[in-house]
Amino acid sequence: EAGVAQSPRYKIIEKRQSVAFWCNPISGHATLYWYQQILGQGPKLLIQFQNNGVVDDSQLPKDRFSAERLKGVDSTLKIQPAKLEDSAVYLCASSLDREARRLETQYFGPGTRLLVL
Amino acid sequence: GEDVEQSLFLSVREGDSSVINCTYTDSSSTYLYWYKQEPGAGLQLLTYIFSNMDMKQDQRLTVLLNKKDKHLSLRIADTQTGDSAIYFCAEGDMNTGFQKLVFGTGTRLLVSP
Repeated sequence: EAGVAQSPRYKIIEKRQSVAFWCNPISGHATLYWYQQILGQGPKLLIQFQNNGVVDDSQLPKDRFSAERLKGVDSTLKIQPAKLEDSAVYLCASSLDREARRLETQYFGPGTRLLVL
Repeated sequence: GEDVEQSLFLSVREGDSSVINCTYTDSSSTYLYWYKQEPGAGLQLLTYIFSNMDMKQDQRLTVLLNKKDKHLSLRIADTQTGDSAIYFCAEGDMNTGFQKLVFGTGTRLLVSP
């Protein structure tokens, strides 16, 4: 089966610009996650969707980050305006769990590398 | 909150065994995971262990869990150059009622010929 797809793979922008990332999860996966991975650190969860509803966005900087998952399939993550400290890899993951209440395997996409100058 | 710690770097020779260690804090964790990340790639699930188990073996991989000390280790037998990557330990957190993973900082494994 096809894996989690993300685009673009790389993005370079200047601070205060806007950027958007796209994720297409594995077909049939109900739960979708966006993680931020700063260089030298482990991934940190930004937001979790169950179908098209948000179940956890406690670590999402809501003054500049937004995310949506229309129709419970694809998702976009937007940063507006970007800061230097947003330079990181943004990873999307999905899992099958239809209730997000069980620990199920998360499958990760290749990530989008963002550099903010 | 939850905290997962790992040593930053491990260097071994090809053919040797590698042992990567991890400590975690959340006593309610039910699953603990090991992920591998190669340069420019996403995370690949290697194996996981349920918290009521002490050990799990999967081909060259052996996971040991000491729940009393909250210590998890990953042993890779007959390490190959293709095993060079960053290895992340993660604990499954159900405290909010929804599943999420808390990752460690990663251990960079370098395998030399």
